[in-house]
Amino acid sequence: EIVLTQSPGTLSLSPGERATLSCRASQSVSSSYLAWYQQKPGQAPRLLIYGAASRATGISDRFSGSGSGTDFTLTISRLEPEDFAVYYCQQYGSSPLTFGGGTKVEIK
Amino acid sequence: QLRLQESGQGLVKPSETLSLTCTVSGGSISSSSYYWGWIRQPPGKGLEWIGSIYYSGSTYYNPSLESRVTISVDTSRNQFSLNLSSVIAADTAVYYCARQSGYPDCWGQGTLVTVSS
Repeated sequence: EIVLTQSPGTLSLSPGERATLSCRASQSVSSSYLAWYQQKPGQAPRLLIYGAASRATGISDRFSGSGSGTDFTLTISRLEPEDFAVYYCQQYGSSPLTFGGGTKVEIK
Repeated sequence: QLRLQESGQGLVKPSETLSLTCTVSGGSISSSSYYWGWIRQPPGKGLEWIGSIYYSGSTYYNPSLESRVTISVDTSRNQFSLNLSSVIAADTAVYYCARQSGYPDCWGQGTLVTVSS
């Protein structure tokens, strides 16, 4: 099983700032099969990024993904008020599918 | 527009079987492009993939739950279902169904299932 470790656990930033979230895998993620999700309280997760760097339909270009192998990054270029939420990475290159523990982006 | 809706028990007694159904609307569950999966989230915690099914009935499960999980599909009703047997308090969670293109790309709103006597 591939274990995904996200850091930091909490990121305290102000609107307009840049957010950089990390996801590290315990072994190489096949074919960069890595996705990122945003989750707000009481809501289901929403797909942001798949294939490590491809934005899902309707996702703002403020969100970008990068990385390969075992190290992946989600960057939010300029935080908007609606971006404060919990973010999860997830690998789908091997079974079982696994998720990281999440990074909470909170307003400073 | 694709929509997934979970339904089923909100309260299950310990040692009993949790049963949920996901109804898919706005698209066919028989699409050859997708799997259909279940994911859960204990209150205040992270996400755990439970298992997935193809319209043909082919399944794959999380080994951590495999001995207790059965996922089935009913293409005539455009539904798929989850059974989790011998539940314990740690199975208390919001259960989501989702369409998978490898990754879950469309989720239901989730349903809270509480395991308690």
